[in-house]
Amino acid sequence: KQEVTQIPAALSVPEGENLVLNCSFTDSAIYNLQWFRQDPGKGLTSLLLIQSSQREQTSGRLNASLDKSSGRSTLYIAASQPGDSATYLCAVVLYNFNKFYFGSGTKLNVKP
Amino acid sequence: NAGVTQTPKFQVLKTGQSMTLQCAQDMNHEYMSWYRQDPGMGLRLIHYSVGAGITDQGEVPNGYNVSRSTTEDFPLRLLSAAPSQTSVYFCASSSGVSEAFFGQGTRLTVV
Repeated sequence: KQEVTQIPAALSVPEGENLVLNCSFTDSAIYNLQWFRQDPGKGLTSLLLIQSSQREQTSGRLNASLDKSSGRSTLYIAASQPGDSATYLCAVVLYNFNKFYFGSGTKLNVKP
Repeated sequence: NAGVTQTPKFQVLKTGQSMTLQCAQDMNHEYMSWYRQDPGMGLRLIHYSVGAGITDQGEVPNGYNVSRSTTEDFPLRLLSAAPSQTSVYFCASSSGVSEAFFGQGTRLTVV
């Protein structure tokens, strides 16, 4: 069974810092990996999707990397802002059946 | 651009009652799925569908039924609500190779 772990569970940083969120998974036979953002009481918003053949994806201040062989992904947030405060979730998909396995998330607080 | 629409947003049920959570998508996606989100447990897959007429069980299917008569709709039925089903429920859709889109969630309380 695929297990997805996110470290740290919570993170509090001052505005302007660069930060890294970690995601690890036990089964390297993944189809793709997706990072989501969830605001309190809201749904999930997709941030970045990395296909299994890719090593990284970038969108604005966000960069996600994928190392399938070691079962790891990182989400790098540059120059953090208070508006980045949210819970960040990573999810892996095995094969193409679109069954997502989620980590428990990292709750980020960026202080002004 | 509606995306994935879930109704209702909030619901309170008494133990033993039944209800249907609605999910509709307007992106012509093949894949749809239902998750529940509980504190400390993350999101767990309840049921999923890879196309109209095809459904399968996920990680926590007990107490829930689904059907997929059209590409657009994927309702989740609670047969006899129990307090253990108090949770936030999310519906998702995807084309398979692209990113997944999630609805805004249904907060269900069973008393």
